Amino acid sequence: GQNIDQPTEMTATEGAIVQINCTYQTSGFNGLFWYQQHAGEAPTFLSYNVLDGLEEKGRFSSFLSRSKGYSYLLLKELQMKDSASYLCAVLDSNYQLIWGAGTKLIIKP
Amino acid sequence: DVKVTQSSRYLVKRTGEKVFLECVQDMDHENMFWYRQDPGLGLRLIYFSYDVKMKEKGDIPEGYSVSREKKERFSLILESASTNQTSMYLCASSLADLSTDTQYFGPGTRLTVL
Repeated sequence: GQNIDQPTEMTATEGAIVQINCTYQTSGFNGLFWYQQHAGEAPTFLSYNVLDGLEEKGRFSSFLSRSKGYSYLLLKELQMKDSASYLCAVLDSNYQLIWGAGTKLIIKP
Repeated sequence: DVKVTQSSRYLVKRTGEKVFLECVQDMDHENMFWYRQDPGLGLRLIYFSYDVKMKEKGDIPEGYSVSREKKERFSLILESASTNQTSMYLCASSLADLSTDTQYFGPGTRLTVL
């Protein structure tokens, strides 16, 4: 079966750095997405990785290792507004998105 | 800016009622999707459509049907609502290339079936 694993909840301090991991087992791979979802709101796109390596976008970076079935989202200089759920999703061989359950990130002052 | 709107943010229905959830996107996207989101589970695809009048079953189509008569509008229908269909329903749209195109989500409809 297809499976996306990410931690259920993480806590970090304002101004710090946090890494949210995602491991996947899917039938084929055509890319990995990270989305941010604030409570009660729609998910919004953060990043897309299809090749191995690190993609940096401001305070957020996303890393992919296809051989390990592994990705992480790195958030730097954490702000209170970064409190949200972070969803990992993999595009499988049929170009369907398989979603993880999301990681709830709590930022403390 | 892409805008995806859904007809209701909150909806309360009774078991056995027919329920319509409407989704409209204003960016001429070919693909549209209906998901449900439940605590502790990832987004689960109910149906998607890649063109007008075309539809494909997702992972959990049972108990649902869809309609896409116009490109900008994708409707989800619960023929006879049941309590296990209480959930958050999210609509999304994307451009033609499923391999790379970002999905843009609507604000969601929280449906409660009593």
